[in-house]
Amino acid sequence: EVQLVESGGGLVQPGGSLRLSCAASGFTFSDHYMDWVRQAPGKGLEWVGRTRNKANSYTTEYAASVKGRFTISRDDSKNSLYLQMNSLKTEDTAVYYCARVSFMYGYGFDYWGQGTLVTVSS
Amino acid sequence: QSVLTQPPSASGTPGQRVTISCSGSSSNIGSNTVNWYQQLPGTAPKLLIYSNNQRPSGVPDRFSGSKSGTSASLAISGLQSEDEADYYCAAWDDSLNVVVFGGGTKLTVL
Repeated sequence: EVQLVESGGGLVQPGGSLRLSCAASGFTFSDHYMDWVRQAPGKGLEWVGRTRNKANSYTTEYAASVKGRFTISRDDSKNSLYLQMNSLKTEDTAVYYCARVSFMYGYGFDYWGQGTLVTVSS
Repeated sequence: QSVLTQPPSASGTPGQRVTISCSGSSSNIGSNTVNWYQQLPGTAPKLLIYSNNQRPSGVPDRFSGSKSGTSASLAISGLQSEDEADYYCAAWDDSLNVVVFGGGTKLTVL
């Protein structure tokens, strides 16, 4: 069974840093692109960024709103995805989901974690 | 505001057919496929339609998708109370090199 479990969320002050993790199981993690998607309270979905697989040189892409502040990385030996968030702003407050990109399903996100809440507030 | 435009709300009665539109541009919907997600209250989103009009295994055939030019649509036939949810369209944007989402449509079953 495919599972994605996020952790690391919490309360952080503006300007602070936080590192989110996503533990994957039930599939060959190293084969897949992995994305982060966030959802501010009461708002819609916002794509945060992507890490591609080894075959695609682990290249990354980021939304303009987080570029230069957030870094996505992965450790295929640990089946884990990470999101390092620096210089956090109040507008980064959201539930953060990790999602598996499915080549079979048109690069759609076929599995999602349960989400972890990040609150940026003084 | 979102790169893809969806109506904020839609509604229908049980058994009815409803459609939700998603409007984009040549750099996203016009040149890439569209995926649709359903988000039930308090849960993570679920992939509902991929590659414009394909259903993942387990998704009922009451749900269908289409695309024409720079717009896409999600149709739900035989509306059921459990379809009450938020629906999002998404596509890759070649100009921005990002995934873009619609703002979401809240579907109410009256």
